[in-house]
Amino acid sequence: GQQLNQSPQSMFIQEGEDVSMNCTSSSIFNTWLWYKQDPGEGPVLLIALYKAGELTSNGRLTAQFGITRKDSFLNISASIPSDVGIYFCAGLAGNNRKLIWGLGTSLAVNP
Amino acid sequence: SAVISQKPSRDICQRGTSLTIQCQVDSQVTMMFWYRQQPGQSLTLIATANQGSEATYESGFVIDKFPISRPNLTFSTLTVSNMSPEDSSIYLCSVTTGGYNEQFFGPGTRLTVL
Repeated sequence: GQQLNQSPQSMFIQEGEDVSMNCTSSSIFNTWLWYKQDPGEGPVLLIALYKAGELTSNGRLTAQFGITRKDSFLNISASIPSDVGIYFCAGLAGNNRKLIWGLGTSLAVNP
Repeated sequence: SAVISQKPSRDICQRGTSLTIQCQVDSQVTMMFWYRQQPGQSLTLIATANQGSEATYESGFVIDKFPISRPNLTFSTLTVSNMSPEDSSIYLCSVTTGGYNEQFFGPGTRLTVL
């Protein structure tokens, strides 16, 4: 099935560093969602984006809905050890309720 | 957001048997979905659970293998039938509330088939 291009696949950073990851699609989306999944848990919704150009923050997290509607990025500022996990982007196109998923970005933070 | 629970949280099963996974939500929701997540992979939608009618299955998933029930607006079950080791995965239910597109996930059921 269709998948989003999510990069990078993995990151290993020092505590306190900023992190950026992004997702791109070949088709236009009307919703972008960013999730974090900890080991043994279900994905937790971090940020939802509904408008092209929208920039939304949730604490140290900031996400943007690209103006072309084909991409989105997630930034994490001043990373801490509990940011460790896998981050997934997901999107919706048209009236379809089926989420299209990225393959995930695995984040490791060195304290 | 809704509070979602799944039972069991994990199980180890023998080849050829079936397991039914329950998903319970603390409030009425509009849509319920079932996903499979194989180790180290992204999420794959199995089906949309429709209240009072047959589920809508994605390509590659069939009702005989993954029968789904949704008797009301807060509860659904997924059965993994005639299991093989290839069915070893995490199974997740998710829901949407109101008219929003955001999906909220349960904690998942980790299934190992021997």
